[in-house]
Amino acid sequence: GQNIDQPTEMTATEGAIVQINCTYQTSGFNGLFWYQQHAGEAPTFLSYNVLDGLEEKGRFSSFLSRSKGYSYLLLKELQMKDSASYLCALLDSNYQLIWGAGTKLIIKP
Amino acid sequence: DVKVTQSSRYLVKRTGEKVFLECVQDMDHENMFWYRQDPGLGLRLIYFSYDVKMKEKGDIPEGYSVSREKKERFSLILESASTNQTSMYLCASRPDQGAEAFFGQGTRLTVV
Repeated sequence: GQNIDQPTEMTATEGAIVQINCTYQTSGFNGLFWYQQHAGEAPTFLSYNVLDGLEEKGRFSSFLSRSKGYSYLLLKELQMKDSASYLCALLDSNYQLIWGAGTKLIIKP
Repeated sequence: DVKVTQSSRYLVKRTGEKVFLECVQDMDHENMFWYRQDPGLGLRLIYFSYDVKMKEKGDIPEGYSVSREKKERFSLILESASTNQTSMYLCASRPDQGAEAFFGQGTRLTVV
């Protein structure tokens, strides 16, 4: 079967760095997405990894290790507007998205 | 910019009513999806469609049906609304199987 795990909630301080982890188990893999979702709004795309390694995009970076079934989203220079839920989603062998429950990130001044 | 538009942000319906949730996308995407999102759970796929008049069941299709008469429009139908269908409903579209999904703003449905 398929399974995705990510922490339910994390707290960080404005200006700091936070790493949100996502672990998965799957028989087929075509990539991993990260989305940001502010309360009451739609998810918006942040990153896509299909090969091992780190993808950097401004203050946000995403890492993938396929052999370990592991990804993380790294947020630097945290701002209050980064308070949101971060969703990890696996693209399976049928190109269907399998979603984690999301990590609620709380930023404190 | 890709735009996915859902017809309502908030809906309140009575138990037993037939409910229609409409979704329209303006980027000629083949693939469209309906999810529901509940606290503590990931997005759960209700139905999806890869082409006009084509539909496939997702993980939780019971109590729902869909219609895709035109490429840009994908409708979710609750045949007889029940209180356990109170949820946030999200429509999404994708241009091809490997691409990112674009979401509508969501419809928060309350069934009383």
